[in-house]
Amino acid sequence: QKEVEQDPGPLSVPEGAIVSLNCTYSNSAFQYFMWYRQYSRKGPELLMYTYSSGNKEDGRFTAQVDKSSKYISLFIRDSQPSDSATYLCAMVYGNNRLAFGKGNQVVVIP
Amino acid sequence: DVKVTQSSRYLVKRTGEKVFLECVQDMDHENMFWYRQDPGLGLRLIYFSYDVKMKEKGDIPEGYSVSREKKERFSLILESASTNQTSMYLCASRYPPGQGLPRSSNYGYTFGSGTRLTVV
Repeated sequence: QKEVEQDPGPLSVPEGAIVSLNCTYSNSAFQYFMWYRQYSRKGPELLMYTYSSGNKEDGRFTAQVDKSSKYISLFIRDSQPSDSATYLCAMVYGNNRLAFGKGNQVVVIP
Repeated sequence: DVKVTQSSRYLVKRTGEKVFLECVQDMDHENMFWYRQDPGLGLRLIYFSYDVKMKEKGDIPEGYSVSREKKERFSLILESASTNQTSMYLCASRYPPGQGLPRSSNYGYTFGSGTRLTVV
């Protein structure tokens, strides 16, 4: 089973706010977790990746993994209009393929 | 930076036409993938290839075929285009996990910019 649940509802936030995005999964075999960012009319680009439970920071971005709850999160601090994009979570499953969430559209309002 | 180039950004084809979507990567990646992306359905894997002349079906291969004669090029073929194949098509490539970049990162794919195909 490779389903990844991600609430696709658009999320609008004012500039400077914290953006919080989540994905859940049911297959405990998922080991590696990633977040992709996709701008309009572009392909997804790898934003962050992590393996272990806990937090990983990269600038204004924090990826959080809770394997016991099968829950991953992405936080964007001090959000900017340039962060407006669709964010997809992804996880590695059998044969090293990726299972993607459906994506979450974020709009940061200046 | 790795570059994955898809030959067309936008295509309009007629029902029944044979359609070729081309993808080229410049970083000697063994693995290449074709996805389609539709609103509400996300990314769905059509076909993938672990190496030259190798191919495997993904989750939605019906109505599609692929060709990988050279390492850098992976082509998606719509044998007889239908309106339900109107979609955004994305090509991706990567090293096999365990090579190159730190292991936990090279599961990640590098995507092309996509081809938006409309079948009328």
